[in-house]
Amino acid sequence: KQEVTQIPAALSVPEGENLVLNCSFTDSAIYNLQWFRQDPGKGLTSLLLIQSSQREQTSGRLNASLDKSSGRSTLYIAASQPGDSATYLCAVLMDSNYQLIWGAGTKLIIKP
Amino acid sequence: EAGVAQSPRYKIIEKRQSVAFWCNPISGHATLYWYQQILGQGPKLLIQFQNNGVVDDSQLPKDRFSAERLKGVDSTLKIQPAKLEDSAVYLCASSLVRSWGQPYEQYFGPGTRLTVT
Repeated sequence: KQEVTQIPAALSVPEGENLVLNCSFTDSAIYNLQWFRQDPGKGLTSLLLIQSSQREQTSGRLNASLDKSSGRSTLYIAASQPGDSATYLCAVLMDSNYQLIWGAGTKLIIKP
Repeated sequence: EAGVAQSPRYKIIEKRQSVAFWCNPISGHATLYWYQQILGQGPKLLIQFQNNGVVDDSQLPKDRFSAERLKGVDSTLKIQPAKLEDSAVYLCASSLVRSWGQPYEQYFGPGTRLTVT
């Protein structure tokens, strides 16, 4: 059974710092991995999607990497801003049934 | 292109009452999902439809939850009777039919926040 773990559960850093969020999964038979952002009381915003054959994806100040063999992904945020404060979730899409399995998220606070 | 629409956005009910949520997927998306997200957790799949047929409802508490997707477009999720532990955000997502080797992504609506008192 696939398990997705995100560490840390919460992170608070000063504005301007670069930071890394971690996601690990136990079953490497995935179709893709996706990072989402969720603001309080809001829905999910897709940030980056990495196909299983890819190693990384970049969008602006965000870079996500995928190491399928070791069951790990990282989300790198450069030059953090207070507007980056949110909960970040990773989810893997299973090869077998195309279902998304989610981590519990990392709550990020960027202090001005 | 219009996104996934959900209503209501917020709902407060007392335990043992009933409630219904509505979802309109992106036009042309045959697959529709309902998720439950309890505070501090990732979303959990409740039910998956392809057109108007159920693909997976293994995690749907069928004694109190029901869902339908008439005509393969809009969907409703109902809870009757509600319990305190049903307090959560209910998310609807839609996608194109999966095709091996092709990019595949689920698109999410804004969610309905349910509070059961």
